[in-house]
Amino acid sequence: DAEITQSPRHKITETGRQVTLACHQTWNHNNMFWYRQDLGHGLRLIHYSYGVQDTNKGEVSDGYSVSRSNTEDLPLTLESAASSQTSVYFCASSPTVAGGPEGTQYFGPGTRLTVL
Amino acid sequence: GEDVEQSLFLSVREGDSSVINCTYTDSSSTYLYWYKQEPGAGLQLLTYIFSNMDMKQDQRLTVLLNKKDKHLSLRIADTQTGDSAIYFCAERNRGTGRRALTFGSGTRLQVQP
Repeated sequence: DAEITQSPRHKITETGRQVTLACHQTWNHNNMFWYRQDLGHGLRLIHYSYGVQDTNKGEVSDGYSVSRSNTEDLPLTLESAASSQTSVYFCASSPTVAGGPEGTQYFGPGTRLTVL
Repeated sequence: GEDVEQSLFLSVREGDSSVINCTYTDSSSTYLYWYKQEPGAGLQLLTYIFSNMDMKQDQRLTVLLNKKDKHLSLRIADTQTGDSAIYFCAERNRGTGRRALTFGSGTRLQVQP
């Protein structure tokens, strides 16, 4: 069955280190997204991509970068991890630009990142 | 900018109906969604409604949309303990070409036996 996976599921790192979170989907979706989830804030958009070689900043993109070299993967990199980036990170994908069921986003299980 | 607001917590007894409310600000929203998040898991789509609809029913779920007041609600009939989760409403984000979503902060539903 097609799916979306994230790895690692849990990560502890130190301030200043570079960290990369992986996201892989097997639906062949063009659109992929990274969100972070924090108490009281719901999910906030970090970066998104509409296809290979396309990346765009979301509302909380500072300190994060993404690259899209193929359809299946959108890795999220924290260039120099900060304690404020301790959060749960969710990757999502969707197949079309339309709304409704065809544009529905499918979420990965999340990565819990702790920056000490 | 866009803003989606929800109450943080709701507690109901098993068998009762639950009503989770959401307000949004983007009048150009075309689709609004309800997602469910169980502990330790990602978000799963529960249902959605197109902005030209007032109501949508899907088994135990009823979505009501008041576009004039920008108010969305999710009613769960005969609430079960398995319905305990966090519920997020979401709308399309104009700033990202309508492909990303703007989420509310989530409503934690606690179902008491």
